[in-house]
Amino acid sequence: EAQVTQNPRYLITVTGKKLTVTCSQNMNHEYMSWYRQDPGLGLRQIYYSMNVEVTDKGDVPEGYKVSRKEKRNFPLILESPSPNQTSLYFCASSPGTGFRETQYFGPGTRLLVL
Amino acid sequence: AQTVTQSQPEMSVQEAETVTLSCTYDTSENNYYLFWYKQPPSRQMILVIRQEAYKQQNATENRFSVNFQKAAKSFSLKISDSQLGDTAMYFCAFMKPSFYNQGGKLIFGQGTELSVKP
Repeated sequence: EAQVTQNPRYLITVTGKKLTVTCSQNMNHEYMSWYRQDPGLGLRQIYYSMNVEVTDKGDVPEGYKVSRKEKRNFPLILESPSPNQTSLYFCASSPGTGFRETQYFGPGTRLLVL
Repeated sequence: AQTVTQSQPEMSVQEAETVTLSCTYDTSENNYYLFWYKQPPSRQMILVIRQEAYKQQNATENRFSVNFQKAAKSFSLKISDSQLGDTAMYFCAFMKPSFYNQGGKLIFGQGTELSVKP
């Protein structure tokens, strides 16, 4: 089954404790990205990757890191999480960035930083 | 910078009725893409419908249709014959074509929470 998977789905952590949210897709997609969803703000892009070893900042990259060492994986790293990073996170992938190249979203990761 | 605005945080509709969700956006580009996504209580993001800006004909997908007014920068979603399964958060989104810098990035509105009542 074609899908984007994220782990963990739920995470409670404390301020300053490094964490990684994994994202993997099995569709051989070139483009991958991370979004965060906050009430009243919709979804905002954190980072994106056009291909392996090519990543760039989205609209809200502060406090996050990413890497794209393999085409299928695009982990999101919070080196020192803070309470303002409490949010719902989505990974998305697509074959490219054309109109018909639908972005597939993962199931989301709900993060609470205490 | 592009922005997307959904001015209706919540709406409700009776089952089998028609409802329209509003969306406006701001851009200086002439070519771009617009989308409506549905997010049910499961939190999954599901693409409902999409529209290319250079196409004047409004997109339709079964019970879902859009009213695209390019000059007014308006992109509303009409749901006909509403069903209980349509209960969800609906997001309007804008995307620049891939040949632009940061093409492929979806810019979302704040969302409209739709409740379909039996």
